[in-house]
Amino acid sequence: GEDVEQSLFLSVREGDSSVINCTYTDSSSTYLYWYKQEPGAGLQLLTYIFSNMDMKQDQRLTVLLNKKDKHLSLRIADTQTGDSAIYFCVTGKLIFGQGTTLQVKP
Amino acid sequence: DTGVSQNPRHKITKRGQNVTFRCDPISEHNRLYWYRQTLGQGPEFLTYFQNEAQLEKSRLLSDRFSAERPKGSFSTLEIQRTEQGDSAMYLCASPGERDTIYFGEGSWLTVV
Repeated sequence: GEDVEQSLFLSVREGDSSVINCTYTDSSSTYLYWYKQEPGAGLQLLTYIFSNMDMKQDQRLTVLLNKKDKHLSLRIADTQTGDSAIYFCVTGKLIFGQGTTLQVKP
Repeated sequence: DTGVSQNPRHKITKRGQNVTFRCDPISEHNRLYWYRQTLGQGPEFLTYFQNEAQLEKSRLLSDRFSAERPKGSFSTLEIQRTEQGDSAMYLCASPGERDTIYFGEGSWLTVV
């Protein structure tokens, strides 16, 4: 079946950049998504990228897509403590990765 | 606020009881999804509706689970004879603009 892989944990210092990586197997996705989940909360759509794009920038967020390698990344510039959460990479078929826990140290 | 409303937000029930969750999706959108999320895991697909029709069901959806969307608007997810393994957060999702998918806040189920 379709699969989405993410590293489970990332720790950065406040003010640094964070990069969360994802690889997926579904080649038919029209969109790819990043969702954020804070403890005990639901899923917040953070950003998404259309599959014919290589990059999308949205304020502190940069999404990079390498469609050939089926690799998606999310870069958060100037990471803040409020960015501490779990980040999910999601394909167009709404298949979720296990999530990457981002820990931001002050 | 994503516009997807779920209730109840929390439910504690005794093993063997039945529970029902409701989802009110973003209006005028014909697709609706149910997911389940256990601690430390990503959400897992349960089922998908297009209007009233239930088009896909995961094998996670045992015969104790039933989902309906009677008029193509709100949806219910019922779990009969609950088991402790059913303890999870049940999430509903609905498309927004440009095929973005919005999730509700989820319904937490604890089976004791």
